[in-house]
Amino acid sequence: DIQMTQSPSSVSASVGDRVTITCRASQGILSRLAWYQQKPGKAPKILIYEASTLQSGVPSRFSGSGSGTDFSLTISNLHPEDVATYYCQQAKSFPLTFGGGTKVEIK
Amino acid sequence: EVQLLESGGGLVQPGGSLRLSCEASGFTFSTHAMAWVRQAPGQGLEWISSISYSADTTYYAASVKGRFTISRDNSKNTLFLQMNSLRAEDTAVYYCVDDFRGNGMYGWFDPWGQGTLVTVSS
Repeated sequence: DIQMTQSPSSVSASVGDRVTITCRASQGILSRLAWYQQKPGKAPKILIYEASTLQSGVPSRFSGSGSGTDFSLTISNLHPEDVATYYCQQAKSFPLTFGGGTKVEIK
Repeated sequence: EVQLLESGGGLVQPGGSLRLSCEASGFTFSTHAMAWVRQAPGQGLEWISSISYSADTTYYAASVKGRFTISRDNSKNTLFLQMNSLRAEDTAVYYCVDDFRGNGMYGWFDPWGQGTLVTVSS
């Protein structure tokens, strides 16, 4: 199975800050990576798939990059409504696996 | 608007069974692979099963293989998860998810249903 490791596990930043979350796969997954946002008490929502493709309707302050084993999600200008837990997920092979999550809070 | 509405969750004793349903609307269900993802209380996300649009291919996580069965009825736009031999560690919110790219099994999930809580306890 492919293990997905996210860091940091939590981050506290100010409104307007740039926040970067990283995700590392235990083996190469090409660009087969998605990022999800889960707000408290809500179902997750996809932000990015294929490592860097922004899902329709997602604000452009979210961006993804990387390929192979190392990936990142960047929020370029943190908004209060971005408070959430973010998960990466590999779709290279079954079983599909998620990272442990990164909790983003406002300082 | 694409919608997924799960039902069938509840309290069940260890060793018991439960069948979850997910009614889909707003898209051509019969052309999309579907999946179930669960989240234990306070924990992260765990993919547990996927099914192709034609139901001829299924995949399972090792944690549920042999106990859970995914299926679908394309005539009723409904996805199912039959859960047998339930254990305390199966306690979670179960989400129905659409593999939204269509036709193939891409593994990109959007949208997610609201989730249904399954509690396994005596």
